[in-house]
Amino acid sequence: AQKVTQAQTEISVVEKEDVTLDCVYETRDTTYYLFWYKQPPSGELVFLIRRNSFDEQNEISGRYSWNFQKSTSSFNFTITASQVVDSAVYFCALSERRNTGKLIFGQGTTLQVKP
Amino acid sequence: DADVTQTPRNRITKTGKRIMLECSQTKGHDRMYWYRQDPGLGLRLIYYSFDVKDINKGEISDGYSVSRQAQAKFSLSLESAIPNQTALYFCATGSDENYGYTFGSGTRLTVV
Repeated sequence: AQKVTQAQTEISVVEKEDVTLDCVYETRDTTYYLFWYKQPPSGELVFLIRRNSFDEQNEISGRYSWNFQKSTSSFNFTITASQVVDSAVYFCALSERRNTGKLIFGQGTTLQVKP
Repeated sequence: DADVTQTPRNRITKTGKRIMLECSQTKGHDRMYWYRQDPGLGLRLIYYSFDVKDINKGEISDGYSVSRQAQAKFSLSLESAIPNQTALYFCATGSDENYGYTFGSGTRLTVV
């Protein structure tokens, strides 16, 4: 069965610290997609990244970077030099090709960045 | 206009009332989904649809029903609302081509 686990419920850091949000997934499919979403206090879901199972290259986008490791079924997200505006709930999600494209979400990690 | 529009944005209703949450999209996607978000539980799938004639139950469909009136419209109904259905509800569309998903802004529902 498919499952996404975000073991960190809440993380609090001081501005300019680096922070890594963990995501571990379970799937029996060989073709799947992994996602990260940000949910700011306003409530909407903001898409951050999509990665397919055949692409294990790490990705960097500004202060954001993602580390995808199939060997450990992990897709971790790092924010470098965190800012107060990064305070939000972050969700990791999995979509399996054979499972009709449903998105399975982790429980979410609440990140608080203090000034 | 937003690609995926949910109405209403906020709603307070009484226990036992029937309520409908509406979702419309301009993405042209065939797949549409309804999710429910509760604190600490992430988003859970209520119903999903691949086209007008295809409706499927998700993880937590009890107490809910849906209608796919057209490719662009997918509504969620609570026939008799109860307080534990108080949550943030999201509609989403999905693309077969690149596995992209587009979410609406959410409907915050409170059942008192």
